[in-house]
Order: sequence, then C-alpha cells, then structure tokens
Amino acid sequence: DQQVKQNSPSLSVQEGRISILNCDYTNSMFDYFLWYKKYPAEGPTFLISISSIKDKNEDGRFTVFLNKSAKHLSLHIVPSQPGDSAVYFCAASAMGGTYKYIFGTGTRLKVLA
Amino acid sequence: GAVVSQHPSWVICKSGTSVKIECRSLDFQATTMFWYRQFPKQSLMLMATSNEGSKATYEQGVEKDKFLINHASLTLSTLTVTSAHPEDSSFYICSAPEGAYQPQHFGDGTRLSIL
Repeated sequence: DQQVKQNSPSLSVQEGRISILNCDYTNSMFDYFLWYKKYPAEGPTFLISISSIKDKNEDGRFTVFLNKSAKHLSLHIVPSQPGDSAVYFCAASAMGGTYKYIFGTGTRLKVLA
Repeated sequence: GAVVSQHPSWVICKSGTSVKIECRSLDFQATTMFWYRQFPKQSLMLMATSNEGSKATYEQGVEKDKFLINHASLTLSTLTVTSAHPEDSSFYICSAPEGAYQPQHFGDGTRLSIL
C-alpha cells in the first residue's frame, strides 16, 4: 500500500521555466509534508516543508502547495536551473514530523540548459 | 545548523561478516532516529524506528535478528547488519527529528557492498 505517490518518474524542463513536481497521499493522519532533493549515494537534502494548517509555503525559488481535500501537494521551482537536476522525493509524516517519514517514489528532474 | 553524521560512508566486506553503521546527532538530542534503506532507482524504505532506552520498532518484513538496532544514547543509534549476504548490499540512511514541524536531518548514507 503506497501511501505517498509520485506518479511522474521523470520530468524535463528548459532552463528558466517552471518545474512542477506532484505528489499524492492517502493517509488523512499526515500533517507535515516535505520535499527533499537527492543525489545518488548521498542523503536527502531538505528543500521545503509545509504543515497541514497551511496551503502554501514559499522559500526563494521553491514553493510548495498543499491541497488537503485532494490529498495532493506540489513543488514549484521558478526559475529552474541546471543545478536543480536531481531526484526529488516528497515525504509525509504524522505528529508534526516527529513520526516516521513515508517517502514517495521520486521524480527525476532534468533541467536543460 | 543541526547535523546528523553517519559512519562509515562505504563498506565492502565478505559474506558472513557483521557490519555496524553509526548515526550521530551532532548538536541536538534525538530520542528517536530512523533507519532507511534504498535500492538503486527506488525510494527510501523505512526499516525501523530506533528509540532511546527501549526496543526498536521494525517495519513489516524487516528481520529483527538480521538488522540489530541499538540506541545507546540521546545522540547515537547503531544499525548492525548481522551475517551479511550479497542481498543485503544496499544504501542505508539514518535520520533524526530535531523537533515538531522541523525537517528531519539525514545522514549522508552508507553504501554497503557484500561480496
């Protein structure tokens, strides 16, 4: 039972354009959501998070949107840069994120110069 | 900022040996730490939750006797892969939460290769 899903395994975007990565979840108990960037053989690097009391959180080029009724969140990267090329994982947790994370399957983003 | 240190970063050993991986929170205390495993081109799968002062909680399908977890102090958790075999070869990552509504900090991972 995959509680967190990223339906797009890969995404290619032209440099300077917007990248939109999507994530769906099924568990209503999740109250904290995060996006991580990961390179092979490295630990995940935190990008941005959002709690369930908000529907949007912005940090520089990164914005996360949360639609609780649809159980959907998305990460927007504007403008996209070649250095953004990596695998992006969404994660969800209960109890304010102090509980275990459930990771999505990942989306490989490639930003073309 | 807060950092989680994981050691070693890479291990190659013979089949049948046991391997210990350490996960340390460097500037905060963690009563709970998490151990994940990642196969190539796959997601991070939670193996177990390490609890300071009590037994670890294992996810379904994870062998407790195979993957021994010890949370010796508020800053250290260890994962020991006992009698390792080639199928145990993988990338193991730990994480620790610093507090509510704060992102968990991840170690840099350990690549384990069993020959």
